Amino acid sequence: SYELTQPLSVSVALGQTARITCGGGNIGRKNVHWYHQKPGQAPVLVVYRSSYRPAGVPERFFGSNSGNTATLTISGAQVVDEADYYCQVWDSNTVIFGGGTKLTVL
Amino acid sequence: EVQLVESGGGLVKPGESLRLSCAASGFIFSDCSMNWVRQAPGEGLEWVSSITPSDNIYYADSVKGRFTVSRDNSKNSVYLQMNSLRAEDTAVYYCARDPRPTSDYEKDYWGQGTLVTVSS
Repeated sequence: SYELTQPLSVSVALGQTARITCGGGNIGRKNVHWYHQKPGQAPVLVVYRSSYRPAGVPERFFGSNSGNTATLTISGAQVVDEADYYCQVWDSNTVIFGGGTKLTVL
Repeated sequence: EVQLVESGGGLVKPGESLRLSCAASGFIFSDCSMNWVRQAPGEGLEWVSSITPSDNIYYADSVKGRFTVSRDNSKNSVYLQMNSLRAEDTAVYYCARDPRPTSDYEKDYWGQGTLVTVSS
């Protein structure tokens, strides 16, 4: 079955660029969606179909996808961006989530 | 405004059953696929099931044969019947929407979740 691999944690200095990766076989051929989730809250969609931002999501969130890696880039990371981030794809009639990455803004 | 409100969670013993409901509002329910996603305490997101408006249904292997998803487009609601519950089914269960009538899109709106605890 298809698997998505994310780093357990990523740290970034306040105002710097954070990159969260999501690895999967030929993931560049799939639509990848990204969610963030803060403690005690429901997930929130931040990037869909690899590179589109929903209304209301700040422009500092940017998605890219090529080869075997999709990347969520947060330019000028803010304290409010501290959260768990999950990537997600659809494969073989199954919704698949990555294991999640905890983003810490220092 | 799109709203998804889950209900029906609670404490049950192993082997017992529970039925979750998700009431939707603020959009044309019959135009959208619906999903159940769960999150065990301290763990990541795990997809459970999806159902399209035309009742194409998909399940995770971990719940296949025990859980049944259904929807009532006249009531703008989706349900998850959970039988033969196990301790490992303990989780917050979220209802989430696809913005299209197939299940291969992003989950653009989520409910706040309902907690299911399976313990003797």
